Amino acid sequence: QKEVEQNSGPLSVPEGAIASLNCTYSDRGSQSFFWYRQYSGKSPELIMFIYSNGDKEDGRFTAQLNKASQYVSLLIRDSQPSDSATYLCAVGLSGGYNKLIFGAGTRLAVHP
Amino acid sequence: GAGVSQSPRYKVAKRGQDVALRCDPISGHVSLFWYQQALGQGPEFLTYFQNEAQLDKSGLPSDRFFAERPEGSVSTLKIQRTQQEDSAVYLCASSPGQGAGQPQHFGDGTRLSIL
Repeated sequence: QKEVEQNSGPLSVPEGAIASLNCTYSDRGSQSFFWYRQYSGKSPELIMFIYSNGDKEDGRFTAQLNKASQYVSLLIRDSQPSDSATYLCAVGLSGGYNKLIFGAGTRLAVHP
Repeated sequence: GAGVSQSPRYKVAKRGQDVALRCDPISGHVSLFWYQQALGQGPEFLTYFQNEAQLDKSGLPSDRFFAERPEGSVSTLKIQRTQQEDSAVYLCASSPGQGAGQPQHFGDGTRLSIL
């Protein structure tokens, strides 16, 4: 059973702080990793993807991947109340097409 | 359209009825996925199409669930003899290619409630 684990939260951070969201996965052969943001009652929205070990930055978001530790994280700098949502980590399984396994999500609350 | 379109947005059915959920992917996208999302959980894979071919249906919960994509564009997920445990949000996603690593783009989902 391929698994993706996330802390369910809520993770509460003050406005302007750095929010750090973490995810571990069990399929050692996985090659693609995605972070989706999901507002309550809305569909998942892709915000970052990463394929190689190291960091990938896009605006206020940084994705970090460590395949040896089977660990992927998302940092959100200068957190805003509008960042308050559930963040889903998704891992593309090894082999063939891009079947995604999702974690249950971490709820982030950014308070003014 | 610009994004993945799903209809209806909400569906209420009585237990035992059949339902059909529609997905219109982004134009030209080869890959189409269906997911089921229970409250407070992440989406769970149901089935995958590459053009009109259903290459993986390992996530379908039972033989009451059936999906098709006959012309390689619009897809329909059908649930026969619905049960209360079928209540969930059904999400459709598409991606442009067929290989691993392609980001998937989601529709707004259909919220299914079985009474």
